[in-house]
Amino acid sequence: NAGVMQNPRHLVRRRGQEARLRCSPMKGHSHVYWYRQLPEEGLKFMVYLQKENIIDESGMPKERFSAEFPKEGPSILRIQQVVRGDSAAYFCASSPRLKIQETQYFGPGTRLLVL
Amino acid sequence: GQQLNQSPQSMFIQEGEDVSMNCTSSSIFNTWLWYKQDPGEGPVLLIALYKAGELTSNGRLTAQFGITRKDSFLNISASIPSDVGIYFCAGLNNDMRFGAGTRLTVKP
Repeated sequence: NAGVMQNPRHLVRRRGQEARLRCSPMKGHSHVYWYRQLPEEGLKFMVYLQKENIIDESGMPKERFSAEFPKEGPSILRIQQVVRGDSAAYFCASSPRLKIQETQYFGPGTRLLVL
Repeated sequence: GQQLNQSPQSMFIQEGEDVSMNCTSSSIFNTWLWYKQDPGEGPVLLIALYKAGELTSNGRLTAQFGITRKDSFLNISASIPSDVGIYFCAGLNNDMRFGAGTRLTVKP
């Protein structure tokens, strides 16, 4: 029973490029959450998705950031025209269907470095 | 917003000692969670608490959901070197809020 999978584990981009981060939830989980973690800080909520729907994107910057969770395939967090301030660890978590308040399980994260 | 205050920020202890850390909030949460994060990894769930007053153990770890639903405590007994890491509390309502973490160092 594989856990939450994220790839790539490390991503280096130059300013202005695009970053695509992928997340495959645990088997049987249809809720996906994305978080950002800066060094020495806790995780900050970005967006909550179910299959083909964005439920809550209140933590995601309005510009340059987008997220999707298609019917088939992984959830994608996309950052366009990256800037140095986007450098952080991005974690995906998943939870089973039906319950919003269900415990979330985290992937290993993608560490994004913007040069 | 729902801010979580986690303390202490860091702890340096001797192997075998007990550890206590806590998390407080000005808001009520329906669920409290404790995670541990190792360097370069994602948070791993240690204990989930679903009911005010609940006391739950997981091996040497014990956590409590405060009666007011605004706080939670995590205790680690007889610490060992592999307990090193960052411990995060999280409060869950319709979304999840994290504390800033307690960084634990265990000296052998």
